[in-house]
Amino acid sequence: EAQVTQNPRYLITVTGKKLTVTCSQNMNHEYMSWYRQDPGLGLRQIYYSMNVEVTDKGDVPEGYKVSRKEKRNFPLILESPSPNQTSLYFCASSPPGGRFAYEQYFGPGTRLTVT
Amino acid sequence: AQSVTQLGSHVSVSEGALVLLRCNYSSSVPPYLFWYVQYPNQGLQLLLKYTTGATLVKGINGFEAEFKKSETSFHLTKPSAHMSDAAEYFCAVTFTGTASKLTFGTGTRLQVTL
Repeated sequence: EAQVTQNPRYLITVTGKKLTVTCSQNMNHEYMSWYRQDPGLGLRQIYYSMNVEVTDKGDVPEGYKVSRKEKRNFPLILESPSPNQTSLYFCASSPPGGRFAYEQYFGPGTRLTVT
Repeated sequence: AQSVTQLGSHVSVSEGALVLLRCNYSSSVPPYLFWYVQYPNQGLQLLLKYTTGATLVKGINGFEAEFKKSETSFHLTKPSAHMSDAAEYFCAVTFTGTASKLTFGTGTRLQVTL
């Protein structure tokens, strides 16, 4: 089944404790992105990647890091989480062209709480 | 810079009534437009998209949207609401060559009442 998976689905942590949220897709998509969803703000892009070893900042990159060492994986790293990073996070992937060009396929989300 | 405005953060309709969710975009180049739906505790699912060609686009679950360049709008409609349509709906925009950059609206929560 074609899908984007994220782990963990739920995470409660404390300020300053480094964490990683994993994202993996099995559709061989070149493009991958991370978004955060906050009430009243919709989804905002954190980082995106156009291919292996190619990443760039989105609209709200402060406090986050990413890496793309393999095509299928795109982990999100919070090196020193703070309470304002409490949010619902989504990973997404998309093909660069063809019939499904520009369509983003979303993971199920990771709800992060930082206390 | 591209942007999307969704009018109305909450919309309530009766079952069987017309659903109309509004979306306006801002762009200096031709946009690609999308509607996504998010059911409670789930990720986002693509409802429909407009890239080029026919301006009236049909999607899943009986939804459709019309791209109106003169009005910079891409409103989502469904002739008859069903209880299962209750969800949050997001309009999004991107452009040729920026497939990885999707800008979302703030969302509209649709409530369907008996």
